[in-house]
Amino acid sequence: GAVVSQHPSWVICKSGTSVKIECRSLDFQATTMFWYRQFPKQSLMLMATSNEGSKATYEQGVEKDKFLINHASLTLSTLTVTSAHPEDSSFYICSAIVAGDGTDTQYFGPGTRLTVL
Amino acid sequence: ILNVEQSPQSLHVQEGDSTNFTCSFPSSNFYALHWYRWETAKSPEALFVMTLNGDEKKKGRISATLNTKEGYSYLYIKGSQPEDSATYLCALLTGTASKLTFGTGTRLQVTL
Repeated sequence: GAVVSQHPSWVICKSGTSVKIECRSLDFQATTMFWYRQFPKQSLMLMATSNEGSKATYEQGVEKDKFLINHASLTLSTLTVTSAHPEDSSFYICSAIVAGDGTDTQYFGPGTRLTVL
Repeated sequence: ILNVEQSPQSLHVQEGDSTNFTCSFPSSNFYALHWYRWETAKSPEALFVMTLNGDEKKKGRISATLNTKEGYSYLYIKGSQPEDSATYLCALLTGTASKLTFGTGTRLQVTL
């Protein structure tokens, strides 16, 4: 149980285009999902917390107009990288908490490798 | 900014060896310490959630201990196997909206 999928697993796009990444909880409801970014040899850095039916909470230094997050249902959150540039190239990974779980365990997707040319 | 550190960065052991690595974190505002195993091309997998000082948890050949007063946790692997090869991440929960602060991980390679 507690499986999270992420799509696509990798994407290459041209500079200036927008890219949407989907994060789905397959067998549980997730009122809260998280989006992380990882640069080479660095730790997972939290970008934002996504709550179903409300606006996402962004970490300091993360541009909310650049990284649009939508959490429209209890099983789906999307991250859209708008007007992507080469410096946005990174590994993006989402996680979700099982609603009602008191351990705060986060269940992760497999991640998306974004390359902006 | 919370500073969660893991050491060593990487480790190379032979099959059958036992090994351990460290996660250090600030001891103030502690809520919980999470351990994850992350195999290449897969999703990070939750191993342990540790909350109490002196906690010791075990899952098969893997165990972990926690010292919240001095701010560290150890992860032990007994009799390492090639399938244990992965990056092991620790993450600190400070009770703020379930947010985790991750270390950079320890990359373990187990060879025959």
